[in-house]
Amino acid sequence: DSGVTQTPKHLITATGQRVTLRCSPRSGDLSVYWYQQSLDQGLQFLIQYYNGEERAKGNILERFSAQQFPDLHSELNLSSLELGDSALYFCASSVGLGEGYTFGSGTRLTVV
Amino acid sequence: QKEVEQDPGPLSVPEGAIVSLNCTYSNSAFQYFMWYRQYSRKGPELLMYTYSSGNKEDGRFTAQVDKSSKYISLFIRDSQPSDSATYLCAMSRGSNYKLTFGKGTLLTVNP
Repeated sequence: DSGVTQTPKHLITATGQRVTLRCSPRSGDLSVYWYQQSLDQGLQFLIQYYNGEERAKGNILERFSAQQFPDLHSELNLSSLELGDSALYFCASSVGLGEGYTFGSGTRLTVV
Repeated sequence: QKEVEQDPGPLSVPEGAIVSLNCTYSNSAFQYFMWYRQYSRKGPELLMYTYSSGNKEDGRFTAQVDKSSKYISLFIRDSQPSDSATYLCAMSRGSNYKLTFGKGTLLTVNP
């Protein structure tokens, strides 16, 4: 167990629907990062939150949004889902003091 | 040009071989360099973490960073079948900045 918890592990939904992915970072970690991993694109950075504030944005679609709550857990909201959104979505956290980034086990999203 | 380039392989070696994995990068602002191991459809697991140039050793694993050449390496000694996985290099500008990943190298160690 890495200490980063992601739920749900698997999600199957239809095109046009909206889903919410949840991430609880390691205890004490202030930064949360969301990544998308598809077979052809590798790990792509979506968005980062640091202590509740948005810190950086990557190639995140306008249909996607995220937030970090006061207890530091984060949610990634994906709406108007398309077949191409099927991927593994990973959350990572870091304490920001020169340590590495710890990843959760991911949420596998399948859009049908 | 991609910020981080990594040969996707696949790489197949016999058990006990020395494995060399490499990445090049273009952004001179990168200061922190990492190697992750990812088993099929699992979360990436941090193997090595280095700051700036130099070498770092941990058991059978050695990470090297050459910032002047923008080149990083991971060496695995006495490779084992359990080392079979995808190895991802990653780097960031700072300890609270996003990680930029290579595409990963698929390694198979044959018994």
